[in-house]
Amino acid sequence: GQNIDQPTEMTATEGAIVQINCTYQTSGFNGLFWYQQHAGEAPTFLSYNVLDGLEEKGRFSSFLSRSKGYSYLLLKELQMKDSASYLCAVRTGADYKLSFGAGTTVTVRA
Amino acid sequence: DSGVTQTPKHLITATGQRVTLRCSPRSGDLSVYWYQQSLDQGLQFLIQYYNGEERAKGNILERFSAQQFPDLHSELNLSSLELGDSALYFCASSERDAYEQYFGPGTRLTVT
Repeated sequence: GQNIDQPTEMTATEGAIVQINCTYQTSGFNGLFWYQQHAGEAPTFLSYNVLDGLEEKGRFSSFLSRSKGYSYLLLKELQMKDSASYLCAVRTGADYKLSFGAGTTVTVRA
Repeated sequence: DSGVTQTPKHLITATGQRVTLRCSPRSGDLSVYWYQQSLDQGLQFLIQYYNGEERAKGNILERFSAQQFPDLHSELNLSSLELGDSALYFCASSERDAYEQYFGPGTRLTVT
């Protein structure tokens, strides 16, 4: 199976930056995803990395280092609506199956 | 709105019973995935279908089964239900060879 680790909780102030780290151990790596999930709602896609480097998408950026089995999601200019769980997920093989980490609950305070 | 629909939204049933959860993927998506999310287990992949055929299997119990029909909608059947089966069940869909999975709103199953 896959071993995916991310912190359980993080707290930050509105307007600040938060970095959520994710480490993984897997075989047949075929991409890393970040999803946002508000309580009781469906996960929504944030970003996808398959090659090393930084992908920027507005206030959200995601980084991948395949050699280190490491990714981070960077949330800038935090807003109250960013309070949610952030799920790191790894795809393996050609079947597009996703294995999810337990999620990081981010709380944004005024 | 992701375009993926799931019914019912909520389901309350007793132990030992059998239920069927339904999912309609986004228009044009051939792949359907089922996930279970409980408080202590997080989001767990159950099974994937592609154009009617089983493609990948995760941590799906033998009491659970699924299928994808010719019109591409999918059903997840849960039988001999136990208290521990109480969870949110999500369906997701994706295009062939696309990387993004679109999640439906989920079905909240409560087993009493």
